[in-house]
Amino acid sequence: DQQVKQNSPSLSVQEGRISILNCDYTNSMFDYFLWYKKYPAEGPTFLISISSIKDKNEDGRFTVFLNKSAKHLSLHIVPSQPGDSAVYFCAASGWSGGYQKVTFGTGTKLQVIP
Amino acid sequence: KAGVTQTPRYLIKTRGQQVTLSCSPISGHRSVSWYQQTPGQGLQFLFEYFSETQRNKGNFPGRFSGRQFSNSRSEMNVSTLELGDSALYLCASSLVGGPRSTDTQYFGPGTRLTVL
Repeated sequence: DQQVKQNSPSLSVQEGRISILNCDYTNSMFDYFLWYKKYPAEGPTFLISISSIKDKNEDGRFTVFLNKSAKHLSLHIVPSQPGDSAVYFCAASGWSGGYQKVTFGTGTKLQVIP
Repeated sequence: KAGVTQTPRYLIKTRGQQVTLSCSPISGHRSVSWYQQTPGQGLQFLFEYFSETQRNKGNFPGRFSGRQFSNSRSEMNVSTLELGDSALYLCASSLVGGPRSTDTQYFGPGTRLTVL
């Protein structure tokens, strides 16, 4: 049962345009969400996070939006740059049985076309 | 400063064997988390260690275990290997927070385990 879903395995965007990566989750216990970026042959790199008490968090060109009622979050990259081409993972975290649990989506491969 | 290092980078084992993977965090980092990455399941959280204690854990069977030493280096052990354990195992370190905190996690390059 995939509790965190990234339904688009890939996305192509023109340089300078907005990239929107989406993520849906099913478990209401998740209350903290993260985005990671991964280049080939490297480990994931933390990008941005958001707590469930917020609906938006911004860091430079990256903004994460959270819609708790829809159990949906999205990552906006504006403007997109060729160096943003990578696989993006969303992750959701929550407490269960006294432990923090972190669940990742399967990733979306973003290609920014110059 | 040096990044997170993992050894070995590649490993081939057969079913039923056991394996130990090592992770050296960034100097000064006290939290080490382990993840399994497979094409079908994506990234899955295994467990997190802080100050030599397991602080958080995911939903993996008891065959997966770990430990952390006083210098924050961590090892992960998988006993009685199964074919489905073939994956990229990543460790990540952060200053004090775990996978949920605002501390940035820094990932190592991973250990590619193949079980035949």
